[in-house]
Amino acid sequence: KNEVEQSPQNLTAQEGEFITINCSYSVGISALHWLQQHPGGGIVSLFMLSSGKKKHGRLIATINIQEKHSSLHITASHPRDSAVYICAVQNYGGSQGNLIFGKGTKLSVKP
Amino acid sequence: DTAVSQTPKYLVTQMGNDKSIKCEQNLGHDTMYWYKQDSKKFLKIMFSYNNKELIINETVPNRFSPKSPDKAHLNLHINSLELGDSAVYFCASRQGYGYTFGSGTRLTVV
Repeated sequence: KNEVEQSPQNLTAQEGEFITINCSYSVGISALHWLQQHPGGGIVSLFMLSSGKKKHGRLIATINIQEKHSSLHITASHPRDSAVYICAVQNYGGSQGNLIFGKGTKLSVKP
Repeated sequence: DTAVSQTPKYLVTQMGNDKSIKCEQNLGHDTMYWYKQDSKKFLKIMFSYNNKELIINETVPNRFSPKSPDKAHLNLHINSLELGDSAVYFCASRQGYGYTFGSGTRLTVV
């Protein structure tokens, strides 16, 4: 079992819908990251969380440290949000802060 | 100026060759990494490098060797390339909790 589990693996939505992607992890962490990767593209860091909630434009990320769970929400989704969203954790006490990744959620937003 | 730059972006080479991928960061970050993204898009740590301390993921074959001439550079050298080495390789740097990724190098071994 992977140390970082994401759901769903694939998600198709209509433009304007509210989207939630979930991430659960089984290790102690110092931080959790949400990353975005467009097809054939590089990786962009969206959020880094160690507690609570962060908002950037239409994106909201939350984390519950006790439950070892994080969610990424997209409000008023748009076709340009279509990408793979990856949850990654920095393992507490792990070597040099390297990331452990989930397998990603492929989001497709239809116009 | 690109914060973390990798070259080349694409690399096609024959089995058995030796190749290098270069990575440079202009952010002044202390730690640099190489990650591998396989055909199923799953990312995994290969190496991390901080203050001349190299930590290697034990699953990485010793044909892969990172080389860091200075704090701003972490290059990846691969000997005797195999078909299974085909993947996208991402360089990244970190300061505190902030991560910045390079744009990736797509390596295809034929």
